Order: sequence, then C-alpha cells, then structure tokens
Amino acid sequence: TQLLEQSPQFLSIQEGENLTVYCNSSSVFSSLQWYRQEPGEGPVLLVTVVTGGEVKKLKRLTFQFGDARKDSSLHITAAQPGDTGLYLCADEGGSEKLVFGKGTKLTVNP
Amino acid sequence: NAGVTQTPKFQVLKTGQSMTLQCAQDMNHEYMSWYRQDPGMGLRLIHYSVGAGITDQGEVPNGYNVSRSTTEDFPLRLLSAAPSQTSVYFCASSYRRNPYEQYFGPGTRLTVT
Repeated sequence: TQLLEQSPQFLSIQEGENLTVYCNSSSVFSSLQWYRQEPGEGPVLLVTVVTGGEVKKLKRLTFQFGDARKDSSLHITAAQPGDTGLYLCADEGGSEKLVFGKGTKLTVNP
Repeated sequence: NAGVTQTPKFQVLKTGQSMTLQCAQDMNHEYMSWYRQDPGMGLRLIHYSVGAGITDQGEVPNGYNVSRSTTEDFPLRLLSAAPSQTSVYFCASSYRRNPYEQYFGPGTRLTVT
C-alpha cells in the first residue's frame, strides 16, 4: 500500500515569509495532486503534477515534482494570512483509490 | 452548478443508532467516494464507486455501507453507530480517468455518544 509522508506536520510563520512543504511517497507517483483545506470546509484542488521534474506555478505558489516521481514540494513566496490552511498531497497510484498524506497545517500570522 | 452537496452538516447519534449521510453531485462524474477525516490521520477512503451499480471498499470500510443506484447520488449508511465513528465525513466526485481530480463536498461532522 502506497504511503504519502508530508513534512512538516505543523508550520507557523509571519506574513511575508517564504516556506516550503514536502510530500514523499513510498512508491512512484501516478499523478500527484495538491489540495488546500480551510477550517470547516472540504479540500480544494490546487494543482496536479504528472511528469518527473515538472514545475507549476499558481500565483505565489510553486509546485515541483521530483525527477524520480517519488517526491514533491510546494513553495509559497511572501505568505499571506489567506494562505492559512491544511495542505494535502494525494495520489491515485494506479488503483483508482486515492491515498492522501496527513497534511501540513500552515498558520500565517499577520 | 451546485457541485457536491452533503446533508446533514452536523449530526449527533447515540451508540447503536443508524443513519444515512447523503451525497449528491451534478457534474455527471462517474467516480464518487467517501472519506473520513480524523485529527492527525489525514483523509482515509471508506468506500468508492466508479459508476452506477458499482461500489468497492477503501481503506476503512468496516461499519459502513454504500450503494450507487444513480450517477448523481452516493449515500453512506452507518449500520450501528459506535463512538469510533465520530469524525468529519467528506464526499467527493471526479471523472473516472487519471488524475482523478476530486471535487469535495462541505462535509458532515458526526458525533457518536
């Protein structure tokens, strides 16, 4: 069974700082998705990465897929309080059963 | 489009009671799934369906039943509620093709006393 490990588990920073969170898999990704979940709501898809070495940008968020397709990172530049939330990575793994990591809980303080 | 809707938003049950969590989507998605979210455990797959009439078990299926009689609806039934089923439940849907990008409902917060 595929395992997705996310680090760090918790991250608390000041507005304007940069940060990086990580997602590592016990097996090669099929296609990796990053979601953000705000308190009291369901997760919302941010991006999907498929190709090894792929880099995608979404405003101040940069997503990178490792060359070996077993790791991914999410970098946020100049974090804002609106970035606060739980960041989850997920992979389908070829089984039609999505597996989620436990998430990184980010708090951006004004 | 309403997207994925779930009812109720909150529910309190006594041990041994049964209930059904409702989930509906209006995006004509083939793939639907139920997850539970517990503190420190992330999202865990309970059951999923790849189309009407087809369901299968996920990671934590015990104590839950599902059926898929239409493309739109995917109810989750708790047969005999237990305190261990206290959790937040999310329904999600997607097209049945890689990368299975999930659209989530707003969740149901269930407490079993």
